[in-house]
Amino acid sequence: EPEVTQTPSHQVTQMGQEVILRCVPISNHLYFYWYRQILGQKVEFLVSFYNNEISEKSEIFDDQFSVERPDGSNFTLKIRSTKLEDSAMYFCASNRGGNSPLHFGNGTRLTVT
Amino acid sequence: KNEVEQSPQNLTAQEGEFITINCSYSVGISALHWLQQHPGGGIVSLFMLSSGKKKHGRLIATINIQEKHSSLHITASHPRDSAVYICAVRNPPTGNQFYFGTGTSLTVIP
Repeated sequence: EPEVTQTPSHQVTQMGQEVILRCVPISNHLYFYWYRQILGQKVEFLVSFYNNEISEKSEIFDDQFSVERPDGSNFTLKIRSTKLEDSAMYFCASNRGGNSPLHFGNGTRLTVT
Repeated sequence: KNEVEQSPQNLTAQEGEFITINCSYSVGISALHWLQQHPGGGIVSLFMLSSGKKKHGRLIATINIQEKHSSLHITASHPRDSAVYICAVRNPPTGNQFYFGTGTSLTVIP
């Protein structure tokens, strides 16, 4: 069964550095998402992406964040200048849109020191 | 925005027990998802509901749209069911943003 893949599984970076988290959504899916989960807290929506542009974003997704679909398969989340509070598990997900099931990747654990 | 509440937050059960996890939300939705998160962190979609009831193996999910409430039931619970169960809702009509509950941590003891 096709699945969403994320790399790396764990990223450690120093405060102020840029990081890029990578995702390969399921190939026939149309909507792509990034979520984050700070340790011990609920999963939070960051952004949704459709037809090569952002369709919705939350208040968390400020100017420090950007997303890109650089080619036909990858979907990336960039954090320009990481802060300690960006430490979290970042999940990529995809679906066909509407009420179709969400498929999640295994997540990237980002640790900012 | 949609406020999603789950109860209980933590649940410990003996193997074989029938388990119920509840989810309520504040604003009418187009769909509700039940998700399972294992200790390693990975999230798996269990059900997507927009009305009625769905069954998959020992898992049953129900939703009452009028009462803005859903339940996830596990029959004949097993230690491998130990995980965090998360409810997530999608608001109509075109929004693709999902709102998540805080999760229910289930431990099933042999």
